[in-house]
Amino acid sequence: DVKVTQSSRYLVKRTGEKVFLECVQDMDHENMFWYRQDPGLGLRLIYFSYDVKMKEKGDIPEGYSVSREKKERFSLILESASTNQTSMYLCASSLNGRGQPSTDTQYFGPGTRLTVL
Amino acid sequence: AQKITQTQPGMFVQEKEAVTLDCTYDTSDPSYGLFWYKQPSSGEMIFLIYQGSYDQQNATEGRYSLNFQKARKSANLVISASQLGDSAMYFCAMREGPSGFQKLVFGTGTRLLVSP
Repeated sequence: DVKVTQSSRYLVKRTGEKVFLECVQDMDHENMFWYRQDPGLGLRLIYFSYDVKMKEKGDIPEGYSVSREKKERFSLILESASTNQTSMYLCASSLNGRGQPSTDTQYFGPGTRLTVL
Repeated sequence: AQKITQTQPGMFVQEKEAVTLDCTYDTSDPSYGLFWYKQPSSGEMIFLIYQGSYDQQNATEGRYSLNFQKARKSANLVISASQLGDSAMYFCAMREGPSGFQKLVFGTGTRLLVSP
């Protein structure tokens, strides 16, 4: 079974703090994604990565950065947290299909509920 | 224009009955994929079912089936014999283009409540 883990289920931070959200997957997936989820807006893609040290901006990258130093780990960084970044953050991974069939099915972690005060 | 539209913010169904959750999509790419995910109150997104645009038959996975109507660009999820544990948010998503390096676009979700 695919397993995606996130470092915290709940996190409370203060405005201006630097925040790290960690995501680890154990299925040797090449692709990894960070989303935020807000009521009525569905899931919005922040950043994604197709390979180690590679990153691509999603739909709402402002205020965020990412790091992918190892294949299994994808970190989301809030350089200076603000109250409008209070949200549910979801990490996902998928197979890229190189050499084997893939549908791009994404497998998600349990999510991190971040509150910025 | 919205790529994925879920017009039902909430649905109610009685236990043991079937329920259909609507999803329409918009793409001009002939190759695409459609997904349904379930999100219980715990927050984790659980993959339920996948339909490829070239698949000849509607996808089924246990009590879940996907009513795929290509000409109408709809991919409705049918849950048969609803159970209390089916109460959750359900999201429809789409991959545009051939698989391998693609992102998914998600709808805004439908909240399903199953009553005893």
